[in-house]
Amino acid sequence: EAGVAQSPRYKIIEKRQSVAFWCNPISGHATLYWYQQILGQGPKLLIQFQNNGVVDDSQLPKDRFSAERLKGVDSTLKIQPAKLEDSAVYLCASSSDRWGSSYEQYFGPGTRLTVT
Amino acid sequence: DAKTTQPPSMDCAEGRAANLPCNHSTISGNEYVYWYRQIHSQGPQYIIHGLKNNETNEMASLIITEDRKSSTLILPHATLRDTAVYYCIVRVGDEKLTFGTGTRLTIIP
Repeated sequence: EAGVAQSPRYKIIEKRQSVAFWCNPISGHATLYWYQQILGQGPKLLIQFQNNGVVDDSQLPKDRFSAERLKGVDSTLKIQPAKLEDSAVYLCASSSDRWGSSYEQYFGPGTRLTVT
Repeated sequence: DAKTTQPPSMDCAEGRAANLPCNHSTISGNEYVYWYRQIHSQGPQYIIHGLKNNETNEMASLIITEDRKSSTLILPHATLRDTAVYYCIVRVGDEKLTFGTGTRLTIIP
């Protein structure tokens, strides 16, 4: 089966600019996650969607970050305006909600953002 | 905060078994132990998970102590492609994954 797709793979912007990332999960996966991974750290969950509803956005900096999953399939994550500390890899993951599944998450390759 | 403790780095000779330890002394009865790994420039990849019994799949084996306060991930015949950061995570059901800093495993030729 096709994996989680993300684009772009790399992005360089100046501080105060805006940027958007796109994610297409594995077909049929109802749950979609966005993570931020700063160099040298493990991924940190930013937001979790169940279909097109938000389950957890407690660690999303809502003054500058926004995310949507309008049709319950693909998703976009936006940063506006970007700060230097937003430089990180942004990972998208998806999981199936079938009963009895292991709840394993499948990750995309990530988007590496550099803010200068 | 991560509920697990792992050594920051380990080396293993190619072809030998790699044994990665994880301490989770505060684990509760309904929390599973999950292992993921992240190869350089890729997203994390699920390896294996277990509750109390030892588990084995095509990638690895998971040994959980009887008191469940620690576990060991075993890669039976490590190859260079197993060089990665390995994350041990405890979670309940579909609770969110909380990653620590993991163990950086280097396979030595």
